[in-house]
Amino acid sequence: SAVISQKPSRDICQRGTSLTIQCQVDSQVTMMFWYRQQPGQSLTLIATANQGSEATYESGFVIDKFPISRPNLTFSTLTVSNMSPEDSSIYLCSVEGPPGVPYNEQFFGPGTRLTVL
Amino acid sequence: AQKVTQAQTEISVVEKEDVTLDCVYETRDTTYYLFWYKQPPSGELVFLIRRNSFDEQNEISGRYSWNFQKSTSSFNFTITASQVVDSAVYFCALSEAVGYGGATNKLIFGTGTLLAVQP
Repeated sequence: SAVISQKPSRDICQRGTSLTIQCQVDSQVTMMFWYRQQPGQSLTLIATANQGSEATYESGFVIDKFPISRPNLTFSTLTVSNMSPEDSSIYLCSVEGPPGVPYNEQFFGPGTRLTVL
Repeated sequence: AQKVTQAQTEISVVEKEDVTLDCVYETRDTTYYLFWYKQPPSGELVFLIRRNSFDEQNEISGRYSWNFQKSTSSFNFTITASQVVDSAVYFCALSEAVGYGGATNKLIFGTGTLLAVQP
């Protein structure tokens, strides 16, 4: 399995500010994904990030609100911009395709718990 | 449309009871994958199992077992002799191939079942 770390693990932010979440993987991976889990809810995919190309966003999510970077095969960032209380969620990154793992298996980072006041 | 339904919102059992978590899915793909994840109170998602659509064999791993039935589009999860440490939210998920040539796969999650195991 891949070892995934996220920073910060949690944060409390003021309305109107932005927060950048980092995701680091211990091996090179092709695909990285960002999910949002609102309180008491299931996980919803925000976007898929390929190294060297623009992220692909799901319906209801836009780049201006959730810009994503993928500078190399082990790292990605998600920024939550101009935050409002509705953005309070757990944000998780996941990876697919670490070496030696069957195609299509995904592993998740520990998540970033964001509270917006 | 791709969809995963976990009709059981919450289940409460007493330790050592067996419990089955239901999962029903909808997909138009002929090749797909089904997953179960565990999310303990700490919040981290723990991968439990992946099953592809061509493999209908049931699987057992210790106290865990999975029953995959394509005829009813179900992928149910049973915990035998439950323990307090099994208390968590359990998510069933379906992979959907997207992108050019189906090269990208995203997970569609059910709403989760909160399992509470009482001592």
